[in-house]
Amino acid sequence: AQTVTQSQPEMSVQEAETVTLSCTYDTSESDYYLFWYKQPPSRQMILVIRQEAYKQQNATENRFSVNFQKAAKSFSLKISDSQLGDAAMYFCAYRNNQGGKLIFGQGTELSVKP
Amino acid sequence: EPEVTQTPSHQVTQMGQEVILRCVPISNHLYFYWYRQILGQKVEFLVSFYNNEISEKSEIFDDQFSVERPDGSNFTLKIRSTKLEDSAMYFCASNGQLLEAFFGQGTRLTVV
Repeated sequence: AQTVTQSQPEMSVQEAETVTLSCTYDTSESDYYLFWYKQPPSRQMILVIRQEAYKQQNATENRFSVNFQKAAKSFSLKISDSQLGDAAMYFCAYRNNQGGKLIFGQGTELSVKP
Repeated sequence: EPEVTQTPSHQVTQMGQEVILRCVPISNHLYFYWYRQILGQKVEFLVSFYNNEISEKSEIFDDQFSVERPDGSNFTLKIRSTKLEDSAMYFCASNGQLLEAFFGQGTRLTVV
């Protein structure tokens, strides 16, 4: 069975600085998708970034980028130029390539200090 | 921008009562899901629905739960005989060909 692990329950970053959130996963499949979701205090789940396992290039969305290491089964999220609005719970998630369910990690609570 | 809509945003119910949580997925999406998040915990998969039938369900999704797509647009989760431990945030999600799931804003269920 696939699992997703986020080993950092809490992280803190100074406004305008860079922070990296860690995620590891376990799967026997070779083709799959990985996601980072943001959950602010409103508890809405907002997609931040997506990575297809067959792509070697790391995904980037504005200030958000990932470091995808397929052999190591690692999928970290880097937030550059952190803003106060980035403060939220961040969840890493895995999905197989057949439109299946998302498997979430435990989440990392990110706080941003002014 | 299309979005997944859930109603109600907050539901309070007495233990033992039945509740129906409603969702309107994005119109051209094919896969529909319900997830649950107990306060302070991770998001857990309950059930997936494709081609008008359940495609997968978790061990949480027992006989107390059922899903339905009654009219081609709504997607409902029914919880029979609610228990205190059913108190949680329930999220509906849908995805299309790109396989990235879009979530509704959630329904906060409180069982008293």
